[in-house]
Amino acid sequence: DGGITQSPKYLFRKEGQNVTLSCEQNLNHDAMYWYRQDPGQGLRLIYYSQIVNDFQKGDIAEGYSVSREKKESFPLTVTSAQKNPTAFYLCASSPRTGVNTEAFFGQGTRLTVV
Amino acid sequence: EDQVTQSPEALRLQEGESSSLNCSYTVSGLRGLFWYRQDPGKGPEFLFTLYSAGEEKEKERLKATLTKKESFLHITAPKPEDSATYLCAVPNAGNNRKLIWGLGTSLAVNP
Repeated sequence: DGGITQSPKYLFRKEGQNVTLSCEQNLNHDAMYWYRQDPGQGLRLIYYSQIVNDFQKGDIAEGYSVSREKKESFPLTVTSAQKNPTAFYLCASSPRTGVNTEAFFGQGTRLTVV
Repeated sequence: EDQVTQSPEALRLQEGESSSLNCSYTVSGLRGLFWYRQDPGKGPEFLFTLYSAGEEKEKERLKATLTKKESFLHITAPKPEDSATYLCAVPNAGNNRKLIWGLGTSLAVNP
């Protein structure tokens, strides 16, 4: 089945550690996105990529890094510089780089700092 | 400033009791409005895209409409399985590769 797969579903991070969240899609979509969702706040864009080997910062990129070495994959690293990383992270993809096309989301990764 | 406001924040309905959710926006040059459904602990599921005032789209018990300032998601004779948070989003006028998201309406449908 075509779709977006995020892993793991739950992730626990110790203070000072970097962690990487996986996002893979088999929809042959060009654009991919990372969002963060916190209670009482709308989805906030962390990074997005319109094409392989290219990506742009979103609204809250500080403390995060990404790569786009393959069309299917867009991993997100939460670094120790991110002061408040506990959140629900969502990966999405859309078929064209123009924004007025719908995005399809994965099932999310819940990251907790312990 | 571009903004998306959804109301009400929460809505509780009895099964079969129709109602509407509102998404109002302040964005110049609207380039589309998206509706999503999100179940607890899961990613949003795409429902509709509306591009121009007067446009309507339907899916089962849901119908989305668009005016120049707002969109409505009408729910006709809802069932308990329609319980979810409904989100709307519009492209940012300054950078249309970014979406501005509302906070959502949490809908609960009691049997």
